[in-house]
Amino acid sequence: GAGVSQSPSNKVTEKGKDVELRCDPISGHTALYWYRQSLGQGLEFLIYFQGNSAPDKSGLPSDRFSAERTGGSVSTLTIQRTQQEDSAVYLCASLVAGGDYEQYFGPGTRLTVT
Amino acid sequence: GQQVMQIPQYQHVQEGEDFTTYCNSSTTLSNIQWYKQRPGGHPVFLIQLVKSGEVKKQKRLTFQFGEAKKNSSLHITATQTTDVGTYFCAYTGTASKLTFGTGTRLQVTL
Repeated sequence: GAGVSQSPSNKVTEKGKDVELRCDPISGHTALYWYRQSLGQGLEFLIYFQGNSAPDKSGLPSDRFSAERTGGSVSTLTIQRTQQEDSAVYLCASLVAGGDYEQYFGPGTRLTVT
Repeated sequence: GQQVMQIPQYQHVQEGEDFTTYCNSSTTLSNIQWYKQRPGGHPVFLIQLVKSGEVKKQKRLTFQFGEAKKNSSLHITATQTTDVGTYFCAYTGTASKLTFGTGTRLQVTL
């Protein structure tokens, strides 16, 4: 079946603009994660959704970052008033909570803030 | 959560040489996962270890979880150019939240 998909694959935006990044998880996966990876760096946890539970937002770096997951499926990560330090690859991952422990990653969105 | 350190940060080997990366935690981990990320790609799951002292093999790759469950290693025998990438260890804490190690970048040349 289809894997995790993300769009757009690349996004260039001007400083101060808002951006929306989309993640389509694998069908049936109840858990969804967002991570950020700066150039040559490790993965930084941002936010976690599990079913209808309140999301774990403990990794969001500032109140400019927010995320939604509609209908328990598609998720959107929004960054308001983008800054140059927001430039990174944003990765989404999903898994079947309570069963499979393997996280399946999407290809990521490369965000460049100019 | 705590940070999991990996060493080395970078290693360059000749094809055919062996390679090992180590993952170290100051506290006991419930499990350890290993991921590989090719240049320009996304992390891909390799394996999960759960038991103290556990050793698992995948062809030329050997994974080990320490007796105290505070460290882990990934050993590649006779590296090939297809092994190039960054190898991350990671552990799951509450609610399946993955915390990644700092990563080891492997370069393999002919």
